Amino acid sequence: DTEVTQTPKHLVMGMTNKKSLKCEQHMGHRAMYWYKQKAKKPPELMFVYSYEKLSINESVPSRFSPECPNSSLLNLHLHALQPEDSALYLCASSQAAGGAPNYGYTFGSGTRLTVV
Amino acid sequence: AQSVTQPDIHITVSEGASLELRCNYSYGATPYLFWYVQSPGQGLQLLLKYFSGDTLVQGIKGFEAEFKRSQSSFNLRKPSVHWSDAAEYFCAPNPPCRGNEKLTFGTGTRLTIIP
Repeated sequence: DTEVTQTPKHLVMGMTNKKSLKCEQHMGHRAMYWYKQKAKKPPELMFVYSYEKLSINESVPSRFSPECPNSSLLNLHLHALQPEDSALYLCASSQAAGGAPNYGYTFGSGTRLTVV
Repeated sequence: AQSVTQPDIHITVSEGASLELRCNYSYGATPYLFWYVQSPGQGLQLLLKYFSGDTLVQGIKGFEAEFKRSQSSFNLRKPSVHWSDAAEYFCAPNPPCRGNEKLTFGTGTRLTIIP
């Protein structure tokens, strides 16, 4: 299995809703990432997990809450989002964990989130 | 400060013509270098990567890239493009620092293919 699987592919939620994005990989990768991508922009890093521990938080608002239950799963819990949070949310994984950043990342196809 | 520049926002090329997408970086040390491609509404796919050694690297889908240290560049090339190559292309340097996993992307180049 050489894929990163993200669910759902599309999500529409209201500003008072609570929802979760899920990401799964079975490549034995020990680093996992959440990126946010607005239209016609490059992906922007949100969070990095290394060996299931949060290692980087790029000053993301607390309405986004990541969780890494095990080495294969990464969740992003959403609560009280704003319309400007509408974007493509990408999950990625890599072998790199704490010091070998020369590996490429494997990306999922993303969740297209619309906040209404 | 570390930065990456993709000077061309949008390039249009005829099918069968050659292609070169530019990427310049500014880092204290030579970073690891990647090119990713993103088809509309999709995630990113790794085309190729450079760590060290031979400065001309081959990737998937017939792409290649050449690392030029003197120019701080890592330009992507393809001898003959296909309509399916229409996509967004991102250059992504990764700092060669132990423990630094912040892969960042250039602003991207959108490639349009005309018949």
